[in-house]
Amino acid sequence: AQSVTQLGSHVSVSEGALVLLRCNYSSSVPPYLFWYVQYPNQGLQLLLKYTSAATLVKGINGFEAEFKKSETSFHLTKPSAHMSDAAEYFCAVSRMEYGNKLVFGAGTILRVKS
Amino acid sequence: EAQVTQNPRYLITVTGKKLTVTCSQNMNHEYMSWYRQDPGLGLRQIYYSMNVEVTDKGDVPEGYKVSRKEKRNFPLILESPSPNQTSLYFCASSLRSLAGGNEQFFGPGTRLTVL
Repeated sequence: AQSVTQLGSHVSVSEGALVLLRCNYSSSVPPYLFWYVQYPNQGLQLLLKYTSAATLVKGINGFEAEFKKSETSFHLTKPSAHMSDAAEYFCAVSRMEYGNKLVFGAGTILRVKS
Repeated sequence: EAQVTQNPRYLITVTGKKLTVTCSQNMNHEYMSWYRQDPGLGLRQIYYSMNVEVTDKGDVPEGYKVSRKEKRNFPLILESPSPNQTSLYFCASSLRSLAGGNEQFFGPGTRLTVL
């Protein structure tokens, strides 16, 4: 069974600092990987996804993630945090055997300090 | 505007009182799914549907029912709600893909409290 591990349930950064949210997956076959963001009282919005076209994936709002097969990781980064980035972030995977099913990590709440 | 809508957004009910949460999408998506979100657990799939009249269990289906009579609608039914079903529920839809990899579009969520 595939699983997704997000290291750190809460991450706090200062405005303007680097954002790094960690995601590791367990899979013997490279899966499809996603990062979603959830702002307070809203649904989930896709930030970016990896589908094997390129290992460095750029998403919306200045976020990007790098797929590293050797480390089974797909960490999310942003060079400079904004107050508006405060939200909960979810890493998710899907695989061919499971069709459209998404398996989510537990989520990481990002706090941005002024 | 392309969207997934859910109703109601908030619901407080009592144990055993049947309820339905509606979900509708206007993107002509074949695939629809229900998730529940609980603190520290992320989102877990309850049921999904690959097309009209085709539904199947997800990871946490106990206590829930669904139906897919029309392509756009995918209601979630709790026939006898219990307090452990207190949660935040999301409906999602996407184009169907046997290989996976399609973006899923999420509704705004329904916060359910069962007393």
